[in-house]
Amino acid sequence: NAGVTQTPKFQVLKTGQSMTLQCAQDMNHEYMSWYRQDPGMGLRLIHYSVGAGITDQGEVPNGYNVSRSTTEDFPLRLLSAAPSQTSVYFCASSSTGTGNSPLHFGNGTRLTVT
Amino acid sequence: RKEVEQDPGPFNVPEGATVAFNCTYSNSASQSFFWYRQDCRKEPKLLMSVYSSGNEDGRFTAQLNRASQYISLLIRDSKLSDSATYLCVVSIRSNDYKLSFGAGTTVTVRA
Repeated sequence: NAGVTQTPKFQVLKTGQSMTLQCAQDMNHEYMSWYRQDPGMGLRLIHYSVGAGITDQGEVPNGYNVSRSTTEDFPLRLLSAAPSQTSVYFCASSSTGTGNSPLHFGNGTRLTVT
Repeated sequence: RKEVEQDPGPFNVPEGATVAFNCTYSNSASQSFFWYRQDCRKEPKLLMSVYSSGNEDGRFTAQLNRASQYISLLIRDSKLSDSATYLCVVSIRSNDYKLSFGAGTTVTVRA
């Protein structure tokens, strides 16, 4: 049982480059989300999805796009990387996305933008 | 003001000791509360939910104080394996998709 799988684990980009962080879950969870974690700050929600075909913005959506074409996959796209996007990114899923079910996190992607 | 604030620590304690720390939240309408554990360079994992009457899970005890708007986590008989960062998570509504995470409290248990 893989749970939530994120790729890549590490990535270095130059300013202005674009890339996609992949996230897949095999738990048939309706809710998926992307967070970024920066030193001294709590995880901040970037985008989330409550089901295939439905996405919404979180706390810090600027510079990121998402899509949810299937229940399993929720890729995060960086449109034009900036040094401020250097962070650790976590994908998470849960069965309901509410406070009543726990979030299952992927292993994280460590992104550096130079 | 941050929605969720935690003392970053670190709390350095010997094996077998008891350690406790709090997390304050700013929104009095908050409904759901959780503690997550995050090991160094790993993903967060749910440790326990926090219920209004307080709850225990083995050596871990969580309490909620709505009047003062904080939750607490107490770890008894600390083990080396308890060394981690503990994240406080708050949801304003039980059906809310947007959880607020604290920055975490680091606990280091030494032999």
